[in-house]
Amino acid sequence: GAVVSQHPSRVICKSGTSVKIECRSLDFQATTMFWYRQFPKQSLMLMATSNEGSKATYEQGVEKDKFLINHASLTLSTLTVTSAHPEDSSFYICSAKKPGFYNEQFFGPGTRLTVL
Amino acid sequence: AQSVTQPDIHITVSEGASLELRCNYSYGATPYLFWYVQSPGQGLQLLLKYFSGDTLVQGIKGFEAEFKRSQSSFNLRKPSVHWSDAAEYFCAVGRVESTGNQFYFGTGTSLTVIP
Repeated sequence: GAVVSQHPSRVICKSGTSVKIECRSLDFQATTMFWYRQFPKQSLMLMATSNEGSKATYEQGVEKDKFLINHASLTLSTLTVTSAHPEDSSFYICSAKKPGFYNEQFFGPGTRLTVL
Repeated sequence: AQSVTQPDIHITVSEGASLELRCNYSYGATPYLFWYVQSPGQGLQLLLKYFSGDTLVQGIKGFEAEFKRSQSSFNLRKPSVHWSDAAEYFCAVGRVESTGNQFYFGTGTSLTVIP
């Protein structure tokens, strides 16, 4: 299989706090994971590419100090939204590339972040 | 540059009717094409994919899609829609980058199914 999980599925936090979202590949090792953001009624926007053991590559316009990405192992990538503000409220989806499945990504179920 | 266009923002069909969702892409090489479905508040589920070979691709839930290189299209079809098919549908193009594969998503088509 190729299962990707995210935790938590839903989080509500106060403005100014930091929130960590985990993305795990459950039955395969993923050297590369991706983080997307989705606004209501809109498509997915790639935020960054997370490579195991190295720094993430951020898309243009995405603040790397705001959205900290760590890919410390072959099955786990984390996205930390630092000093969250209401405008950071969104649906965050991760995906992982499985070795041998070239040009295909396997998506997690998403995390709904609400910043009050 | 590559882009994916889904011309129809919203489509309404009657249950049991046929469905076609349009997808056009702009890409300089052989594309890797995908259709995903997303229910409200949920992640993406892969319906089908095209990498090479037969241009008519069968997917899950009775969906199929046809790759037409001459039209740069990869339209999704289903002969008889069920109420449970109501969801958001995304077409995507994948390509290999130096950092691995990346996806370019269309803006999505929202499907409403009426009884």
